[in-house]
Amino acid sequence: GAVVSQHPSRVICKSGTSVKIECRSLDFQATTMFWYRQFPKQSLMLMATSNEGSKATYEQGVEKDKFLINHASLTLSTLTVTSAHPEDSSFYICSARDKSSALPGTDTQYFGPGTRLTVL
Amino acid sequence: DAKTTQPPSMDCAEGRAANLPCNHSTISGNEYVYWYRQIHSQGPQYIIHGLKNNETNEMASLIITEDRKSSTLILPHATLRDTAVYYCIVRLNHLYGGATNKLIFGTGTLLAVQP
Repeated sequence: GAVVSQHPSRVICKSGTSVKIECRSLDFQATTMFWYRQFPKQSLMLMATSNEGSKATYEQGVEKDKFLINHASLTLSTLTVTSAHPEDSSFYICSARDKSSALPGTDTQYFGPGTRLTVL
Repeated sequence: DAKTTQPPSMDCAEGRAANLPCNHSTISGNEYVYWYRQIHSQGPQYIIHGLKNNETNEMASLIITEDRKSSTLILPHATLRDTAVYYCIVRLNHLYGGATNKLIFGTGTLLAVQP
């Protein structure tokens, strides 16, 4: 199946610093990638949709100036948590939509392994 | 997208079939049923999806009722490695995707496979 990677797998940073998380589709091209956040013992919450070559679409309540998303190529999207604070500590997960192997309208999303962010 | 209802938790004996139910009574005619699972501290893993016919792959079978208001994911021979949270998601599949093809996760079912 399709593989999505994330880097780093875990990061610890000081409050006020910025952290960049990379999401790559390794064996397919992804025109659309999605970013999720998951707090302990909770479900995944969609933060934004990242489209290659255009601005990201953010879900209601997600600050676009705090969570900067760049989708510069068909295989890479980045999420930058700016001026991170302890409440931003969470598990960040990306997914990529593989439209190449499916019938039109039945594309599947594949998820990365996640990035554990801890802000001190 | 239609909401889904799943039991919060289930147990299954190792080697037996695990049948995970999902209710989606407000599903519309062009919405698909997707199943993902998430093993602790990992990203979700795609399992299977279907529209109205039953589907089977190397991981599982998906049984969708004739009225499409509910479905069941079947793991034929559960192993300890199948212990995970299983998410049933109903999603509209637009031809050109984008933001309209986003997956909205509910709370899922925690399946605990017992030795």
